[in-house]
Amino acid sequence: NAGVTQTPKFRVLKTGQSMTLLCAQDMNHEYMYWYRQDPGMGLRLIHYSVGEGTTAKGEVPDGYNVSRLKKQNFLLGLESAAPSQTSVYFCASSYGRGYYNEQFFGPGTRLTVL
Amino acid sequence: AQSVTQLDSQVPVFEEAPVELRCNYSSSVSVYLFWYVQYPNQGLQLLLKYLSGSTLVESINGFEAEFNKSQTSFHLRKPSVHISDTAEYFCAVSSNDYKLSFGAGTTVTVRA
Repeated sequence: NAGVTQTPKFRVLKTGQSMTLLCAQDMNHEYMYWYRQDPGMGLRLIHYSVGEGTTAKGEVPDGYNVSRLKKQNFLLGLESAAPSQTSVYFCASSYGRGYYNEQFFGPGTRLTVL
Repeated sequence: AQSVTQLDSQVPVFEEAPVELRCNYSSSVSVYLFWYVQYPNQGLQLLLKYLSGSTLVESINGFEAEFNKSQTSFHLRKPSVHISDTAEYFCAVSSNDYKLSFGAGTTVTVRA
């Protein structure tokens, strides 16, 4: 099993450009999540999904959109990148919530917006 | 709502010395507790978890954590650290919903 994979690993954008980050998991997990990690702030939830075709906002959703067209994939889009979106982005998945909320993380995407 | 406080942002420690990373949480309902480790330039890996049962949980690489409900704490300890334990450690708490709340992280630097 590959677990959780993320594409790309690194990306540099100019302000105003758009891009999509792809997350894939092969564990048949229902729940998927997108986080951003910034120094001294831990991980903050951007958006999440509780199943195929569903998405919901997390703590810091502004400037991002997501889609979950297939159970195994969760896409994060930036329509018009801003320097404040420079961060490391992590995707995660879990079997369920509560007791089953052990989350498995991808290796991360390091994004720089100039 | 739940939240996590990691009381130390940086912990320098000498090789073979003990280390303790402190984590306190707040929640009005029953919780499940996790410690994740992030090695340099990598994603987060689960180190250990408390779901129910024994309040002392252990990892395969010598770490242990104790759930203390009265003090709302889940401190992580290792009696003797190695250089390879240099990493950032995150405490996280989940209740009965989707949300996994993370602390800000503690950077452990092990020196020879």
